[in-house]
Amino acid sequence: DAKTTQPNSMESNEEEPVHLPCNHSTISGTDYIHWYRQLPSQGPEYVIHGLTSNVNNRMASLAIAEDRKSSTLILHRATLRDAAVYYCILRDPGTASKLTFGTGTRLQVTL
Amino acid sequence: NAGVTQTPKFRILKIGQSMTLQCTQDMNHNYMYWYRQDPGMGLKLIYYSVGAGITDKGEVPNGYNVSRSTTEDFPLRLELAAPSQTSVYFCATQGYANQPQHFGDGTRLSIL
Repeated sequence: DAKTTQPNSMESNEEEPVHLPCNHSTISGTDYIHWYRQLPSQGPEYVIHGLTSNVNNRMASLAIAEDRKSSTLILHRATLRDAAVYYCILRDPGTASKLTFGTGTRLQVTL
Repeated sequence: NAGVTQTPKFRILKIGQSMTLQCTQDMNHNYMYWYRQDPGMGLKLIYYSVGAGITDKGEVPNGYNVSRSTTEDFPLRLELAAPSQTSVYFCATQGYANQPQHFGDGTRLSIL
């Protein structure tokens, strides 16, 4: 499985945008880029996914580099409830759609 | 909607005991997964199933068994509990390939 690299931790102030980076230089042409987050003492929660084009939903935006070797998850206005571990995962839909979790980025949001 | 229900939420076992972690879903999803998460780490896949009657090993299957007799249920069995199996166990479901996975709230298991 192609691997991803994320910073261990990031901090943000409440109400400000947050850009969470992810490097995936060995991504294959069929890999989708998925983001999940895990709030304290909860199971992971799907955030967003994309293949080539930038994607938006009610939770976040996903910006994908033109060469697809990196991507950025954008939280437009961080709140205290966004404090979580964010996982960037490459997923090949042809392999039973398994998810391979790394250690993710722990986002701290402060007042 | 209940979604993915895991029972029990907490359990303490003695070394060598056995138990079954239950996972039930009401979303009629084909795919189901079992993960474990050790402190400070990401999730690791134990077993998965792409439909009733079909199961396959994930990254860390040793010490565990699964079955999938119905679409709704995907129990995980520990036969001889060992301290290394102390972890948080998550069950997840998915409707079709590349759709998001939906996770339960987890079972926190300690083996002493």
